[in-house]
Amino acid sequence: NAGVMQNPRHLVRRRGQEARLRCSPMKGHSHVYWYRQLPEEGLKFMVYLQKENIIDESGMPKERFSAEFPKEGPSILRIQQVVRGDSAAYFCASSALAVDGELFFGEGSRLTVL
Amino acid sequence: GESVGLHLPTLSVQEGDNSIINCAYSNSASDYFIWYKQESGKGPQFIIDIRSNMDKRQGQRVTVLLNKTVKHLSLQIAATQPGDSAVYFCAESYNNNDMRFGAGTRLTVKP
Repeated sequence: NAGVMQNPRHLVRRRGQEARLRCSPMKGHSHVYWYRQLPEEGLKFMVYLQKENIIDESGMPKERFSAEFPKEGPSILRIQQVVRGDSAAYFCASSALAVDGELFFGEGSRLTVL
Repeated sequence: GESVGLHLPTLSVQEGDNSIINCAYSNSASDYFIWYKQESGKGPQFIIDIRSNMDKRQGQRVTVLLNKTVKHLSLQIAATQPGDSAVYFCAESYNNNDMRFGAGTRLTVKP
């Protein structure tokens, strides 16, 4: 049973370009979470999704950021018109349960904006 | 040694000593807590969890203590080993809608 798979592991973009980060949850998991981590800092919650629904996006910037978790396929975190401040590691986690479900994390996608 | 979880503080211990990592959580309604370990360049890994109806839980070489009165969580690692060197995060949730993480503590184990 593969773990949470994130790709790409490393992504370099120039300012103004778009970044798409993908996350395939563990098999059987329907809850997906995205977190952002700056160097030497903790993980900051961004968004919580279930299949086809955004449950909590209170940690998402209001502009340029969006997330989806379609019925088929991976969850996508999309960042439009990237700026240098978007450079960070973006981690995806999945769980089987909505309540008291252990989160399983992927290895992260490291975005560098030049 | 002890460390309070602020902006990625560091804790350095000698191999074989016990480590205590502390965390102050923010939401008095939080009812589920997890400690995660993150090694360099990797995603966080689950260590141990505890629910708010407990004040102590033990795992293999690790113990988590919960003090709801002062909203404090600690992770004790017995006989710390070089492989324990990592950043440790506490996380809290209410109904697990979203897990909120603390800033983390970097543990360095000296051989």
